[in-house]
Amino acid sequence: GAGVSQSPSNKVTEKGKDVELRCDPISGHTALYWYRQSLGQGLEFLIYFQGNSAPDKSGLPSDRFSAERTGGSVSTLTIQRTQQEDSAVYLCASSAAGGDYGYTFGSGTRLTVV
Amino acid sequence: AQSVTQPDIHITVSEGASLELRCNYSYGATPYLFWYVQSPGQGLQLLLKYFSGDTLVQGIKGFEAEFKRSQSSFNLRKPSVHWSDAAEYFCAVGARGNTPLVFGKGTRLSVIA
Repeated sequence: GAGVSQSPSNKVTEKGKDVELRCDPISGHTALYWYRQSLGQGLEFLIYFQGNSAPDKSGLPSDRFSAERTGGSVSTLTIQRTQQEDSAVYLCASSAAGGDYGYTFGSGTRLTVV
Repeated sequence: AQSVTQPDIHITVSEGASLELRCNYSYGATPYLFWYVQSPGQGLQLLLKYFSGDTLVQGIKGFEAEFKRSQSSFNLRKPSVHWSDAAEYFCAVGARGNTPLVFGKGTRLSVIA
């Protein structure tokens, strides 16, 4: 597609439920990133996929968070047993291989845990 | 570890006035530096980037930034602000090889008439 697509755009869930957030990157972009944006906290790195390499999961805040990327394209971020502190905007970005990279971001998924 | 500091949480400027948003970074090698803008309810858009070479880089929407190695800074400037520039601005630092960017906490820009 022309840009990075994220769905849903908004998600309200009850505490304790699991949620799945989807990211469809730009076609041909080998790198895909998930960030979390909380009010006043900037962007917090969560996880990074590069081609067929093992993902860099160093930013995941707890084992309730996981992500996968199927076929080097679409990625799903899963949050299990959601907590109120998980409420944030989850942003996905992709970039092409090579050194001259700048991310293309999606519009994000706003997650509210009630 | 890489880090980015944006000292100003919120700045208000008058339309037509000049603007400078500050960014300081911490990184051991030559950094890749970026400025992104986020309008309300939108994703982040790349304004400009610095990898090497000329330390003054031009971006979209009339923005420019200057890399000063001695001060570990990459400040964003615009000579005349428009009301449509009101948004959140993020500075980020990275390294060669598509490793994840580290972002500052952002500076919110308000523009008044």
